[in-house]
Amino acid sequence: QKEVEQNSGPLSVPEGAIASLNCTYSDRGSQSFFWYRQYSGKSPELIMSIYSNGDKEDGRFTAQLNKASQYVSLLIRDSQPSDSATYLCAVTDTDKLIFGTGTRLQVFP
Amino acid sequence: DVKVTQSSRYLVKRTGEKVFLECVQDMDHENMFWYRQDPGLGLRLIYFSYDVKMKEKGDIPEGYSVSREKKERFSLILESASTNQTSMYLCASRDTNNSPLHFGNGTRLTVT
Repeated sequence: QKEVEQNSGPLSVPEGAIASLNCTYSDRGSQSFFWYRQYSGKSPELIMSIYSNGDKEDGRFTAQLNKASQYVSLLIRDSQPSDSATYLCAVTDTDKLIFGTGTRLQVFP
Repeated sequence: DVKVTQSSRYLVKRTGEKVFLECVQDMDHENMFWYRQDPGLGLRLIYFSYDVKMKEKGDIPEGYSVSREKKERFSLILESASTNQTSMYLCASRDTNNSPLHFGNGTRLTVT
């Protein structure tokens, strides 16, 4: 059974700090990696895609991928209370995505 | 922007009823998916489809069926609703196997 693992949290950080969210996956053949943000009662919203080793930056978000270690992370700089949500890591498995159960992030003022 | 539309935001049905959840996407995507999401269990794949009239079982297909008569529309059917099918149902679509999923707003189904 292919798996995607995330720490469920909650991860609590003060406003303005860097939040670091981590994800490991079991399938070495995975090609594409995604981070979704999900507010309570809402559907997941795509925030980052990453396909090759290294860092990818988009505004306050940076995704990091290390295929050798089967590890993908999301950094949120200058965290805001509006970033408080559950963050889902997703990894491709041939014809579908496998999701982690998500990490709940709390940003306090 | 990709738009995935689910027909109902909230739905309340009785045990034993046949329930239809409808999903439409406007981006000509080949692949469409149905998930359910429950607290502590994450997103679980029910069925997916990579072409019209094609369907594949996901991880939890029991008690469900699907229909894809047109490329833009993917329906989830609960043949005889049961209380353990109370959940948030999410439809999604994507272009290729390496593309991200785009989700609809979800249908919160309650079976009483």
